[in-house]
Amino acid sequence: AQSVTQLGSHVSVSEGALVLLRCNYSSSVPPYLFWYVQYPNQGLQLLLKYTSAATLVKGINGFEAEFKKSETSFHLTKPSAHMSDAAEYFCAVSDGDTNAGKSTFGDGTTLTVKP
Amino acid sequence: DTGVSQDPRHKITKRGQNVTFRCDPISEHNRLYWYRQTLGQGPEFLTYFQNEAQLEKSRLLSDRFSAERPKGSFSTLEIQRTEQGDSAMYLCASSLGGSSREQFFGPGTRLTVL
Repeated sequence: AQSVTQLGSHVSVSEGALVLLRCNYSSSVPPYLFWYVQYPNQGLQLLLKYTSAATLVKGINGFEAEFKKSETSFHLTKPSAHMSDAAEYFCAVSDGDTNAGKSTFGDGTTLTVKP
Repeated sequence: DTGVSQDPRHKITKRGQNVTFRCDPISEHNRLYWYRQTLGQGPEFLTYFQNEAQLEKSRLLSDRFSAERPKGSFSTLEIQRTEQGDSAMYLCASSLGGSSREQFFGPGTRLTVL
């Protein structure tokens, strides 16, 4: 069984400030972890993924995330927020035991960027 | 455009009517997934196909829901006798399968049941 918990349904930062979106996961096998971004009335766009290689993963638009097995965390960060980063962000874990590849998503964090 | 496409983008229907959605995956992808997303929630897995075979269905997929992928290419999701609780965004995703876990999502179909 697998699950994802995103701490904080809403995060607000000022433009230029650090972005930190928290994600904790539970998985009975080594996980594949993902962060997606969703803009209103659109599908999900992959930001980055962890697939058991480097623990620090760099993604698009300046985002990165660090896999910490001891903390079962995969927090998303960006050093300097931009207005265009305002969106909803989802953390997801993919099952590895059945090889189905389906993902379990967190409930999302809405990021607001203030000018 | 070689991404995942879904049709229609929006559907408004009356309770009790049947609706059908279509998903066209990325052409070389053999896995296709359907998810449902309600307001304020993350996507929830409904079902997935490996080529034309439907290999797993969530308990969320009641008897009123049926999905097909007849030739291993596009897929359809039908909801019979729609209920207001079916109102949601229905997302389709595809992947290469195997060791690749990366899923590519379509824009979704937003269903409103009146």
